[in-house]
Amino acid sequence: DTGVSQDPRHKITKRGQNVTFRCDPISEHNRLYWYRQTLGQGPEFLTYFQNEAQLEKSRLLSDRFSAERPKGSFSTLEIQRTEQGDSAMYLCASSSKPIGTSGHNEQFFGPGTRLTVL
Amino acid sequence: AQKVTQAQTEISVVEKEDVTLDCVYETRDTTYYLFWYKQPPSGELVFLIRRNSFDEQNEISGRYSWNFQKSTSSFNFTITASQVVDSAVYFCALSEALGNTPLVFGKGTRLSVIA
Repeated sequence: DTGVSQDPRHKITKRGQNVTFRCDPISEHNRLYWYRQTLGQGPEFLTYFQNEAQLEKSRLLSDRFSAERPKGSFSTLEIQRTEQGDSAMYLCASSSKPIGTSGHNEQFFGPGTRLTVL
Repeated sequence: AQKVTQAQTEISVVEKEDVTLDCVYETRDTTYYLFWYKQPPSGELVFLIRRNSFDEQNEISGRYSWNFQKSTSSFNFTITASQVVDSAVYFCALSEALGNTPLVFGKGTRLSVIA
């Protein structure tokens, strides 16, 4: 049984470069989430998918950020023209489909990708 | 708007002491879910518990227990007989009830258990 995996685990880049992160959710999970966590803070929601459909994007997700989940399995998060303020841990989580309309299953998190923008 | 407040930034206890981590939440929803996650030094968030707003029963799991009180909008977490392995950052989180919506996290409480 494999959990949520993320690649790379660490990324150092220069300001202005583009970076792309990948997340592989738990195989039967249809929901996939991206969060960002800065030092000393809790994770903040960025965007999430149900299968291949992107359901919601946070106001934190500027137009330099784009996320995809083309086949409803893995997802990628791209940041264009990185800025020093983008330095953070980028967390991916997945969850299975809830039973009924009011259920809510726990989200399982990956190890994160730590981005450092120089 | 939903909000989670964890007023304790850092707590330090001696091994075998009991410790309670506080969580206060705000939401306009009548139905919602509350969660606790643990983030050890390795960094990966580990799910501990989920509680829905209709279930105010306290829960105990081994050395862990949770006290949910809707009247005070609190969902506190107690570790009994703490151990060094409990050292981590603990996050309380909140979400709407409708089908696995994103979580709103508090800022976390860093717990250090000293041998």
